[in-house]
Amino acid sequence: DVKVTQSSRYLVKRTGEKVFLECVQDMDHENMFWYRQDPGLGLRLIYFSYDVKMKEKGDIPEGYSVSREKKERFSLILESASTNQTSMYLCASSLRGEGGEQFFGPGTRLTVL
Amino acid sequence: LAKTTQPISMDSYEGQEVNITCSHNNIATNDYITWYQQFPSQGPRFIIQGYKTKVTNEVASLFIPADRKSSTLSLPRVSLSDTAVYYCLVGVEGGATNKLIFGTGTLLAVQP
Repeated sequence: DVKVTQSSRYLVKRTGEKVFLECVQDMDHENMFWYRQDPGLGLRLIYFSYDVKMKEKGDIPEGYSVSREKKERFSLILESASTNQTSMYLCASSLRGEGGEQFFGPGTRLTVL
Repeated sequence: LAKTTQPISMDSYEGQEVNITCSHNNIATNDYITWYQQFPSQGPRFIIQGYKTKVTNEVASLFIPADRKSSTLSLPRVSLSDTAVYYCLVGVEGGATNKLIFGTGTLLAVQP
């Protein structure tokens, strides 16, 4: 079974802190994704990576950056956390291919105080 | 970009067939249609995917009309454990052209 793990289930940070969310997948997938999920808004794509060191902006990249130094690991970075970044963050991975099935991690609920 | 629209919620009873429709008027030629299921405190899970006509697997069917501007997820004989949020996803991933759009989801509540 594909396994996508995220470094924390719950995280509490203060405004202005630099925050790292880590995601690791064990199935050698080319594609990795970061989403945030908010009530009434569904899932919104933050960033997407289709290969090591390659990244593409999603719908809401402002305030976020990403890093993909190794194929299995995709990091989401909040350079200076703000309260409006309080949300559930979901990581996913998929094989390269049109419309490939995405496998999601359990999510990290981030609270910024 | 293909934006999707789904009903916010639906109610059903155990044993009934449930059909959830997703509208995607601006779907592009290369876009696939994928449905995911999400339970509370979990990430979404893939249910079914299609490009056109009808696709069926062990848990659901997906109906896509010829114009592909909508799709319908059909869940046969639902049970209480099918209570979840169902997301319609339209798009295709691949380099600079990636744009994957999730809908806001449909909360299906199955009652005894």
